[in-house]
Amino acid sequence: NAGVTQTPKFQVLKTGQSMTLQCAQDMNHEYMSWYRQDPGMGLRLIHYSVGAGITDQGEVPNGYNVSRSTTEDFPLRLLSAAPSQTSVYFCASTRTPSYEQYFGPGTRLTVT
Amino acid sequence: QQQVKQSPQSLIVQKGGISIINCAYENTAFDYFPWYQQFPGKGPALLIAIRPDVSEKKEGRFTISFNKSAKQFSLHIMDSQPGDSATYFCAASMHNFNKFYFGSGTKLNVKP
Repeated sequence: NAGVTQTPKFQVLKTGQSMTLQCAQDMNHEYMSWYRQDPGMGLRLIHYSVGAGITDQGEVPNGYNVSRSTTEDFPLRLLSAAPSQTSVYFCASTRTPSYEQYFGPGTRLTVT
Repeated sequence: QQQVKQSPQSLIVQKGGISIINCAYENTAFDYFPWYQQFPGKGPALLIAIRPDVSEKKEGRFTISFNKSAKQFSLHIMDSQPGDSATYFCAASMHNFNKFYFGSGTKLNVKP
């Protein structure tokens, strides 16, 4: 099993550009989430999904969109990048019923 | 408003010593409390987790102590080793497990 994979590992965007961060898991987990990690703030939930076709907002959803067309994939879209979105982004999937959460290796995004 | 408060921000411990990291929460609906370990450049990895029906859980050198009345829980690392040097995050989740709220993290440095 590859677990949770994320691409790209690094990305630099200019303000106003859009892009999609990819996330995939091969563990057949229904629950998937996106977090951003900023220094001194831990991880904050952006969006999450409880299954294909079902998504909802987390703590910091503004400026981000998600969709879940398959169990395996959960892409995160930045609509119009802003410097405040400079962060490290982690995707996670959650096993049920134990609710153990598995994280991907992260994407480091810089918006100039 | 941070749902889970973690302290200290950083911790230096001698090899063989005990590392203690504390977390506090306000929302009594939380009923799952995991700890994650994160090495530089990697995603967080689940270390140990507890549910509020027990006061302590031990796995190897790692122990969670849980005080339901005080709404606090802590991670104890016994016989700390240089390889334990990492950032540790506590988290909390509610019964539906769709949302995890993270503490701000503790950077542990175990000196040889």
